[in-house]
Amino acid sequence: AQSVAQPEDQVNVAEGNPLTVKCTYSVSGNPYLFWYVQYPNRGLQFLLKYITGDNLVKGSYGFEAEFNKSQTSFHLKKPSALVSDSALYFCAVRDQDQAGTALIFGKGTTLSVSS
Amino acid sequence: EAGVAQSPRYKIIEKRQSVAFWCNPISGHATLYWYQQILGQGPKLLIQFQNNGVVDDSQLPKDRFSAERLKGVDSTLKIQPAKLEDSAVYLCASTSEWDTSYNEQFFGPGTRLTVL
Repeated sequence: AQSVAQPEDQVNVAEGNPLTVKCTYSVSGNPYLFWYVQYPNRGLQFLLKYITGDNLVKGSYGFEAEFNKSQTSFHLKKPSALVSDSALYFCAVRDQDQAGTALIFGKGTTLSVSS
Repeated sequence: EAGVAQSPRYKIIEKRQSVAFWCNPISGHATLYWYQQILGQGPKLLIQFQNNGVVDDSQLPKDRFSAERLKGVDSTLKIQPAKLEDSAVYLCASTSEWDTSYNEQFFGPGTRLTVL
C-alpha cells in the first residue's frame, strides 16, 4: 500500500534562512511525487513534482525538492524563506507501476516564517 | 483561465440532514476528483470521474454519499444523511485530458461542512 509521512507538524524558520520540509514515502513500485501548498481558506496549489530524471526538481516560488530513492525521501527546500511562504504544505505520492491508483497525501506540515 | 469553482463555500447542517456540493472544473478538463479533508489530515480521494464515467469510487461511503457528473462537465457531491464525522472540507480538483498519473491537479477553494 502507498503511504506518505510528514514527520513534522510544524516547521519554524526566520525570514532569510533556508527551510526544509521533510517527506518520506512508501510505494511498491517507482513513485510520482508532488508537493502542494495550501493557504488559509484556499484550495491546494501545485508547487512541483518528480516524475523521472534529475533528482533535484525546481518548482514555483523558488522552491525545490530532492528525490532520494535509497532513503525514500522527497524533502522540500528553499534557500531563503519569506514570510509569505507561511502556509500548510502537503507531500503526495502515486505509484507509477499501478495504473489508476489514487494520489495519497501526507497529513501536512505547517510552515511558519517569522520576520 | 478561470479556476475550479465550488459552491457553497460554507455549510452548517444538523446530523441526519442532507447536503449537496457543486463543482465546475477548469474548462476542457476531462478528469474530476472529489476529496475529503478532515482537520489535521491530508486530502483523501472520495471519487474520480473521467468525463461522465466513474474511474475510482473505492473510498466513497456509498451508503450515504453519492456523486454525479452527468454531462462530463460540472459535478455534484451529496451526503444523505449526514453524520458528525462528515465535518470536513470537501475539495474538488480537475486535470487536463486523460489522467496520466503524473499530471498536477488544480484544486478549488473547497466547501467547509460543519455537522452539528
